[in-house]
Amino acid sequence: GQQVMQIPQYQHVQEGEDFTTYCNSSTTLSNIQWYKQRPGGHPVFLIQLVKSGEVKKQKRLTFQFGEAKKNSSLHITATQTTDVGTYFCAGQAAGNKLTFGGGTRVLVKP
Amino acid sequence: AAGVIQSPRHLIKEKRETATLKCYPIPRHDTVYWYQQGPGQDPQFLISFYEKMQSDKGSIPDRFSAQQFSDYHSELNMSSLELGDSALYFCASSLGQDPFGYTFGSGTRLTVV
Repeated sequence: GQQVMQIPQYQHVQEGEDFTTYCNSSTTLSNIQWYKQRPGGHPVFLIQLVKSGEVKKQKRLTFQFGEAKKNSSLHITATQTTDVGTYFCAGQAAGNKLTFGGGTRVLVKP
Repeated sequence: AAGVIQSPRHLIKEKRETATLKCYPIPRHDTVYWYQQGPGQDPQFLISFYEKMQSDKGSIPDRFSAQQFSDYHSELNMSSLELGDSALYFCASSLGQDPFGYTFGSGTRLTVV
């Protein structure tokens, strides 16, 4: 079945620094979505990427979808303490369920 | 804006008991998904419904069943509970089966003792 892998599993970042989390799917996706889950909270939808090579930005967050539509990345610049949480990518093949990656748990050191 | 409502928020059950979790999707959303999230784990897909019919099935144990009712709310029924069933259970809803993002409820934390 479809598998989605994320690296790194943990990301310890100094406040103000940048970091990137990567997502890889075993199958070609129709779209990839990113969610953020704060400790004790529920996943909150951030963005969806549909087109091959697509790049979208949300303030300090830059999302990219690979040319083969099998991988994606999330880059955060100038990390803030409010960025703490787990970032999940979730891949969807046409008509199928959303399969979540293992998540990247982000801790920010002030 | 209305969100996905799940009840109860917390539930404590003993082994071998049954539990029923409820999910009320965003108004006009016709698709409901159930996910199970263990401590430190990613959400694992259990089952989904589109227009009151099961649309996809994941790693849902045979002890669990679910359905979507005429008002689009959904219930997840869990029987013969085991300690390993302790987890957060999220419901999400969307409009259509190829949606622009899911909206998750706040989850039900089930503890089996």
